Amino acid sequence: EIVMTQSPATLSVSPGERATLSCRASQSVSSNLAWYQQKPGQAPRLLIYGASTRATGIPARFSGSGSGTEFTLTISSLQSEDFAVYYCQQYNDWWTFGQGTKVEIK
Amino acid sequence: QLQLQESGPGLVKPSETLSLNCTVSGGSISSSNYYWGWIRQPPGKGLEWIGSIYYNGGIYYNPSLKSRVTISVDTSKNQFSLKLSSVTAADTAVYYCARLGRGIAARPSWFDPWGQGTLVTVSS
Repeated sequence: EIVMTQSPATLSVSPGERATLSCRASQSVSSNLAWYQQKPGQAPRLLIYGASTRATGIPARFSGSGSGTEFTLTISSLQSEDFAVYYCQQYNDWWTFGQGTKVEIK
Repeated sequence: QLQLQESGPGLVKPSETLSLNCTVSGGSISSSNYYWGWIRQPPGKGLEWIGSIYYNGGIYYNPSLKSRVTISVDTSKNQFSLKLSSVTAADTAVYYCARLGRGIAARPSWFDPWGQGTLVTVSS
């Protein structure tokens, strides 16, 4: 099983600042990686697939990068609605999720 | 717009079988060549993929749950179902259904869209 490790567990950021979230795979997943946003009481929402392609309707302030084992989700200027938990998920070999990074207001 | 909705009992007794349905609206489960999946999330914890199914019966199960999981499709009702047997308190979670996007070579890949989720509590 491919293990996905996200860091940090919690990220404290002020509105308007940049947030950088990391996701590491225990073995190469090529570019077969997605990112999701989850707010309390809601289902996860797809943000990024193919490591760097924004899903339909996702604002341009969200960007993804990386390949192989190291991936990054960047939120260029945090808005109030962006404070949430973010998960990465690989689909190169079965489907596994990271444990999540909580982005909270500093 | 494609929508998914989970339904089923919110309380299941230990050792019994958890049964959930996911009804798809806004599109046909059998005409669109997509896989459909189940994911769960214990309270306050992360996401775990349970299994995925294609309308003609192709199935993938999470190896850690495979001995207890059955996923099936009912094209006449435009829904797919999850059964998890011999449940314990560790199976208490919000259960989500979702469609799998088609990645490279049309392989089932990311999950989008998701149903709203349904909380299933295992307790006597």
